[in-house]
Amino acid sequence: RKEVEQDPGPFNVPEGATVAFNCTYSNSASQSFFWYRQDCRKEPKLLMSVYSSGNEDGRFTAQLNRASQYISLLIRDSKLSDSATYLCVVRAAGGKSTFGDGTTLTVKP
Amino acid sequence: DAGVIQSPRHEVTEMGQEVTLRCKPISGHDYLFWYRQTMMRGLELLIYFNNNVPIDDSGMPEDRFSAKMPNASFSTLKIQPSEPRDSAVYFCASSFGQMSIFGQGTRLTVV
Repeated sequence: RKEVEQDPGPFNVPEGATVAFNCTYSNSASQSFFWYRQDCRKEPKLLMSVYSSGNEDGRFTAQLNRASQYISLLIRDSKLSDSATYLCVVRAAGGKSTFGDGTTLTVKP
Repeated sequence: DAGVIQSPRHEVTEMGQEVTLRCKPISGHDYLFWYRQTMMRGLELLIYFNNNVPIDDSGMPEDRFSAKMPNASFSTLKIQPSEPRDSAVYFCASSFGQMSIFGQGTRLTVV
């Protein structure tokens, strides 16, 4: 079993749709959680951190459920520019960051 | 700050040759990570350093791979001898605290 698992998709949605991505992790001692975005042939870039209380950044909402070892990302009113691969990242004490394989999103007109 | 700087951006080499990838982390960052990304295996952590000291190299595929960080501003990943299956994009990332910043990557092709 992988340390961080994501549904690879692809998710194909129309503009304006709401889409949710899920991620599970196996190390219960994990300390920090993030969502990264990666565009084709580019490096991953930090999208947002994920906190237990849940956090929102504009159209993006991230949630963490430590008991279930589950992370989610919700995108509302999706735009064409949201098309990318979204990577779930889990960081353990000591600094090791493990990436999921990513979920591919395509937003269509 | 210019961000994490990797060189070269692209490398094409013949099987059996030595390849050296270079990384300059963001000044003040105390962690440095080397990742490899392929379609088949996704983004894999190869090795990471804290304050120039290697902490975990369990992701290094085999003895052909080695990494060094002689000082806080420079790291290398070396493959000797290179093989076609090493073809991938190699990313370096650095962090201070929780969030990692990635370089633009080196696209390596071994023919």
